[in-house]
Amino acid sequence: DAGITQSPRHKVTETGTPVTLRCHQTENHRYMYWYRQDPGHGLRLIHYSYGVKDTDKGEVSDGYSVSRSKTEDFLLTLESATSSQTSVYFCAISGRDRETGGYTFGSGTRLTVV
Amino acid sequence: GNSVTQMEGPVTLSEEAFLTINCTYTATGYPSLFWYVQYPGEGLQLLLKATKADDKGSNKGFEATYRKETTSFHLEKGSVQVSDSAVYFCALSKGGSQGNLIFGKGTKLSVKP
Repeated sequence: DAGITQSPRHKVTETGTPVTLRCHQTENHRYMYWYRQDPGHGLRLIHYSYGVKDTDKGEVSDGYSVSRSKTEDFLLTLESATSSQTSVYFCAISGRDRETGGYTFGSGTRLTVV
Repeated sequence: GNSVTQMEGPVTLSEEAFLTINCTYTATGYPSLFWYVQYPGEGLQLLLKATKADDKGSNKGFEATYRKETTSFHLEKGSVQVSDSAVYFCALSKGGSQGNLIFGKGTKLSVKP
């Protein structure tokens, strides 16, 4: 989507290896989010950020860490990937009107852990 | 806690049929309500929204009305097209420190010619 890009788009990795997914925005938005999407579960929030170096956990944060050293970048790291982390990961951004304005989503990263 | 419940899918309709996808929510106060659409292989896109009771959101022929008395935000379209085939997500936002979006599980719509 315009203003937000995710990389890589696809990745296959082995169990136990570290993996980092990147979300980059050009909108200068304050809020950034990482979700995972799985069949039967919809979208579940992993972590979010409300500013540089300000992050908090979502409902499914175990096994994941995040970092935000610049406004435009929000990194999601799987310290030691497991098969249960095979999923499609979406990044989203929102501005100061997040309660009423909604989010803008990236195109997703399909991660397969073998 | 806050939650969103959507009708189970998949929903299969013929072109030009009437569409309703039910969505109800649980939240204290006055959340904002949203419908997102996800086309195959893509991320979610905001379809429409309503920020207070009795508001009607509309876009691309889709409509939804914020009904506080029934805690509902049902999505409707009078005549669906094949191009409407997608997954639809209902979501709410409470604002403040709880302002993160909470999503329903999604409803897959398939429209046959």
